[in-house]
Amino acid sequence: EAQVTQNPRYLITVTGKKLTVTCSQNMNHEYMSWYRQDPGLGLRQIYYSMNVEVTDKGDVPEGYKVSRKEKRNFPLILESPSPNQTSLYFCASSPQAGTYLGQFFGPGTRLTVL
Amino acid sequence: QKEVEQNSGPLSVPEGAIASLNCTYSDRGSQSFFWYRQYSGKSPELIMFIYSNGDKEDGRFTAQLNKASQYVSLLIRDSQPSDSATYLCAVHNNNDMRFGAGTRLTVKP
Repeated sequence: EAQVTQNPRYLITVTGKKLTVTCSQNMNHEYMSWYRQDPGLGLRQIYYSMNVEVTDKGDVPEGYKVSRKEKRNFPLILESPSPNQTSLYFCASSPQAGTYLGQFFGPGTRLTVL
Repeated sequence: QKEVEQNSGPLSVPEGAIASLNCTYSDRGSQSFFWYRQYSGKSPELIMFIYSNGDKEDGRFTAQLNKASQYVSLLIRDSQPSDSATYLCAVHNNNDMRFGAGTRLTVKP
């Protein structure tokens, strides 16, 4: 089944404790991105990747890191999480950026930082 | 700052009516436009894509694009209770993808 998977789905952590949210797609997509979704603010892009080893900042990259060592994986790293990073996070992929196929979204990761 | 604006709603329509959802964007260089549907607690799913001025129809859904007015809309005909969801407008330019905050639609039986 073609899909984007994220792990974990739910995470409660404390301020400053490094964490990684994994994202993997099995559709051989070149483009992958991370979003956070907050009430009233919609989806905001954190980072995106056009292909392996190519990443770029989105609208809200502060406090986040990403890597794209393999085509299928695009982990999101929070080196020192803070309470303002409490949010719902989505990973998405598409064959290329802006394709008519749109982006395929993962199920989401709900993160709470205490 | 590139903006995508949507009326947050909630928009309430009776079953069988036409629901009209609107979106404006600020970046004149925007190239393609998307409508996603997001059910509560779920991830967004693509329902419409449009890139040229005019109307595009797919079943009960019609997307309308007016680049001169920087306006894109979604019409849902014969609205069903199962259409109750949040509808997200997304705008693409080069590698940049921006979403509106979404309009919550409720279709009442």
